[in-house]
Amino acid sequence: NAGVMQNPRHLVRRRGQEARLRCSPMKGHSHVYWYRQLPEEGLKFMVYLQKENIIDESGMPKERFSAEFPKEGPSILRIQQVVRGDSAAYFCASSPSSQGSYEQYFGPGTRLTVT
Amino acid sequence: DQQVKQNSPSLSVQEGRISILNCDYTNSMFDYFLWYKKYPAEGPTFLISISSIKDKNEDGRFTVFLNKSAKHLSLHIVPSQPGDSAVYFCAASPFGNMLTFGGGTRLMVKP
Repeated sequence: NAGVMQNPRHLVRRRGQEARLRCSPMKGHSHVYWYRQLPEEGLKFMVYLQKENIIDESGMPKERFSAEFPKEGPSILRIQQVVRGDSAAYFCASSPSSQGSYEQYFGPGTRLTVT
Repeated sequence: DQQVKQNSPSLSVQEGRISILNCDYTNSMFDYFLWYKKYPAEGPTFLISISSIKDKNEDGRFTVFLNKSAKHLSLHIVPSQPGDSAVYFCAASPFGNMLTFGGGTRLMVKP
């Protein structure tokens, strides 16, 4: 009964490069959420996806950031032309599709460092 | 504007005693509340949740209380154990959508 998987666990990128973060939800879960945690802060919502659909991207920066959850494969959070301020821990969470089940289960996170 | 606030950044408790972590919220649209526990370099672990139609939910050593009129919830851990030492986040959700997190409270349980 695997939990939420994220890879890589650690990612180092130079300014201007692209970062791709992957998330595989728990088995049977069709809702995926991405959150970002800056140092010494709480987690901040970025985007909510279901298979092949973006449901809510109100927390996503308008530029350089994009997310997808294809029919097959993991969800991807993509950050283009990274800057130092993108250095943070990025967490993915998943939840079941059944109504009324609102608990979200988190992966171990990807720690992005931009040098 | 912080919609979910945890005003105590840290709390120190003796092993065996009660730990009480507090959380306040401002958005009346929140109808589901959750507590997570987080160790360094790991993802948050779900602990317990409560719907706005209830005022108490209990699971083993963990009890969450919700006071809707005061827009306040608390997590009680009894008895506290050294392994409970971690950062605790409260989170709130409107209709099962995205979670809004508080800033966290670092709990230290001393043996």
